[in-house]
Amino acid sequence: DVKVTQSSRYLVKRTGEKVFLECVQDMDHENMFWYRQDPGLGLRLIYFSYDVKMKEKGDIPEGYSVSREKKERFSLILESASTNQTSMYLCASSSPVAGPRTGELFFGEGSRLTVL
Amino acid sequence: ELKVEQNPLFLSMQEGKNYTIYCNYSTTSDRLYWYRQDPGKSLESLFVLLSNGAVKQEGRLMASLDTKARLSTLHITAAVHDLSATYFCAVDRGGSNYKLTFGKGTLLTVNP
Repeated sequence: DVKVTQSSRYLVKRTGEKVFLECVQDMDHENMFWYRQDPGLGLRLIYFSYDVKMKEKGDIPEGYSVSREKKERFSLILESASTNQTSMYLCASSSPVAGPRTGELFFGEGSRLTVL
Repeated sequence: ELKVEQNPLFLSMQEGKNYTIYCNYSTTSDRLYWYRQDPGKSLESLFVLLSNGAVKQEGRLMASLDTKARLSTLHITAAVHDLSATYFCAVDRGGSNYKLTFGKGTLLTVNP
């Protein structure tokens, strides 16, 4: 069974703290993504990675960075958490290989972050 | 910039009825995806539509794609309570990396 695992389901942090959100996939997918989900705004792309050590900014990268040292692991880093980063964070992976379900995203369970 | 609009955003329907959710998008794309999200859960893939005219069906749900109209529909037939969830469409932005832009989601409530 395909699986994307996010390390923390719920986190509470203080303003200014450094926050790490970890994501691991076991499907050997090249592409990995971080989205945030907010009520009324849907899902917005923060960063994505298409290979080890490769990353590209998404639509809302400000205040975030990422790391991909191994193919299966993609980390989202909040250098100095702020209250407007309180949100649900969703990690996803996909394969670019051509086929009937190309580009289909597989999501982790999400990490709900509260910044006080 | 690709924009994806779903309507309606909220849909309350009775069991046994039919209805359609619409997903419009602003720039050319021939790859569109539908997802379901249950409360407190993550997103689950429903349909992958990769060409103009593609139609996929699973149980009471059927999705179609018209790339010329930049429109996808998710049709619900004889709704049952278990279909209550939020449904998202997502459109590929183009290129080789399959970055998706999501609609805001349609919250479907099926009442007995």
